[in-house]
Amino acid sequence: NAGVTQTPKFQVLKTGQSMTLQCAQDMNHNSMYWYRQDPGMGLRLIYYSASEGTTDKGEVPNGYNVSRLNKREFSLRLESAAPSQTSVYFCASSEIRGRIDNEKLFFGSGTQLSVL
Amino acid sequence: SQQGEEDPQALSIQEGENATMNCSYKTSINNLQWYRQNSGRGLVHLILIRSNEREKHSGRLRVTLDTSKKSSSLLITASRAADTASYFCATGRRGGSEKLVFGKGTKLTVNP
Repeated sequence: NAGVTQTPKFQVLKTGQSMTLQCAQDMNHNSMYWYRQDPGMGLRLIYYSASEGTTDKGEVPNGYNVSRLNKREFSLRLESAAPSQTSVYFCASSEIRGRIDNEKLFFGSGTQLSVL
Repeated sequence: SQQGEEDPQALSIQEGENATMNCSYKTSINNLQWYRQNSGRGLVHLILIRSNEREKHSGRLRVTLDTSKKSSSLLITASRAADTASYFCATGRRGGSEKLVFGKGTKLTVNP
């Protein structure tokens, strides 16, 4: 099983450029998430999608947009990249039959993004 | 804002020793989870303990939860070099929004 697949693995952008991070899961999970991980900050939730067709803001949504294309895919878009968005981005999914904290998350291997 | 805070931030031990990491949180929880992250990889779920449980085991892992002290500990017994990783606790607030909040992690190094 592939699990959660993220592309690309590495990306360098110039300030102001745009890009989309792709995420797909093959576990038929209902919920999907985008986190960013910065040194000393742990993981912070950017956006999540509890089910196909819905998206909600997390802790740090500014500067990002998301699309839940279908049940499998959840993309994260940076419209105008800023140096403050330099980070490692993780996509995750979960089955979520009830509360989120009742379910474990499955993570992708991450995208290391540098904005110059 | 962070719900869980791991302690210590970094821990270095010899192979065969036990490793103990702690997690403190601020508000009432339903469950607490522990995850491992190997360098350059995504997080992997280790164990979930519910608020009505005091202790849970999974292989060489032992997790305890003390809701009165709002704290949890993760014990790895007979550590191996392969246990070298960062360990994170994650909580969901009781009555709060439906999101999982991660701590900053403990970086464990197991020396051969």
